[in-house]
Amino acid sequence: DAGITQSPRYKITETGRQVTLMCHQTWSHSYMFWYRQDLGHGLRLIYYSAAADITDKGEVPDGYVVSRSKTENFPLTLESATRSQTSVYFCASSPGLAGSETQYFGPGTRLLVL
Amino acid sequence: SQQGEEDPQALSIQEGENATMNCSYKTSINNLQWYRQNSGRGLVHLILIRSNEREKHSGRLRVTLDTSKKSSSLLITASRAADTASYFCAPGSGNTPLVFGKGTRLSVIA
Repeated sequence: DAGITQSPRYKITETGRQVTLMCHQTWSHSYMFWYRQDLGHGLRLIYYSAAADITDKGEVPDGYVVSRSKTENFPLTLESATRSQTSVYFCASSPGLAGSETQYFGPGTRLLVL
Repeated sequence: SQQGEEDPQALSIQEGENATMNCSYKTSINNLQWYRQNSGRGLVHLILIRSNEREKHSGRLRVTLDTSKKSSSLLITASRAADTASYFCAPGSGNTPLVFGKGTRLSVIA
């Protein structure tokens, strides 16, 4: 089915390990986004990408790395996971910024760092 | 883009009643969007209203925008238990990513 998917849906890892969260969209949207959602903070933007090979920092980028070699994929890597990165991570995509800012969200990945 | 501030933080109503939630923002916008998030799920886009529009309808949803007051409201008529969710507004400036606030948590009691 067309849409935006995230994998894994649930992940438990240990402090210091590297973790990669995957995001895939089938609409060929230009823009893709990574958010984290924590109680009391709402959604916070981690990184976003305007196109393949173009990425930019959001509000809370520290400890995260992104890449976008293909339009449809936007993986998020936690290079050395910390307990403070325990959260729900959402990926989203959008056709563009100017006038077409509707974002389409994936189902989320629940990450627990022990 | 700027963050919208939703008000109230939480709202509890009986099924069949109308639910109104508000959003305020600080600087000029191109559009404003409302999203819904059911527990544990991703946000779902509900409606987009452009800066030159004052009111927009979609099913049981009615959105108003007052650019002079820098505010918007979302009205859900004849609420159902399935409307229980968090609702977020997102003011859009047209050249930067949307910023989401903490939302309004709506509980519709059957």
